[in-house]
Amino acid sequence: SAVISQKPSRDICQRGTSLTIQCQVDSQVTMMFWYRQQPGQSLTLIATANQGSEATYESGFVIDKFPISRPNLTFSTLTVSNMSPEDSSIYLCSVEGTFGEQYFGPGTRLTVT
Amino acid sequence: DQQVKQNSPSLSVQEGRISILNCDYTNSMFDYFLWYKKYPAEGPTFLISISSIKDKNEDGRFTVFLNKSAKHLSLHIVPSQPGDSAVYFCAALSPSGTYKYIFGTGTRLKVLA
Repeated sequence: SAVISQKPSRDICQRGTSLTIQCQVDSQVTMMFWYRQQPGQSLTLIATANQGSEATYESGFVIDKFPISRPNLTFSTLTVSNMSPEDSSIYLCSVEGTFGEQYFGPGTRLTVT
Repeated sequence: DQQVKQNSPSLSVQEGRISILNCDYTNSMFDYFLWYKKYPAEGPTFLISISSIKDKNEDGRFTVFLNKSAKHLSLHIVPSQPGDSAVYFCAALSPSGTYKYIFGTGTRLKVLA
């Protein structure tokens, strides 16, 4: 299993600002995933990030709002842009294990005021 | 449209007894299912999985049962321990060909000592 860290662990931000969340993995991985869990909701996949190519976004998520970087095989960032209170969520990154299971980071709890 | 449903938001069980967590899905094309456990302030942790070619998979105290005709899976924990108290998510792998997992909304299990 992979060990995944995220920064920051939590933040409180003003509406209209942007926050960049970092995800670091202790081993090289081809794909990294970004999820969002809104209060009382399930985890929803935002996008899949491959190193060296554009991220693939799920329906309802766009690059202008959630730009993603993947500069190498152990690191990725997700930016939440022009934030509104509706963006208040837990944001999680994950990587895939050997048998298709996913390993998650501890999450970033974002509150937008 | 919630394709993976966990209809019980919470469950309380006495220590030593069996915990049964349920999950229903709507898409008969789902062919791989997973259960995750999540403690507060941590990311979800992979627990156990099952492929649609099986109807049961066991790992220690944890057993997952799959009823394809009913589109239902369940996680049994026997015997339940206070450390099992957490939120449990079931997830299904989307058949779309991407690495997309669809999660339920979770069931909060409380094991009473």
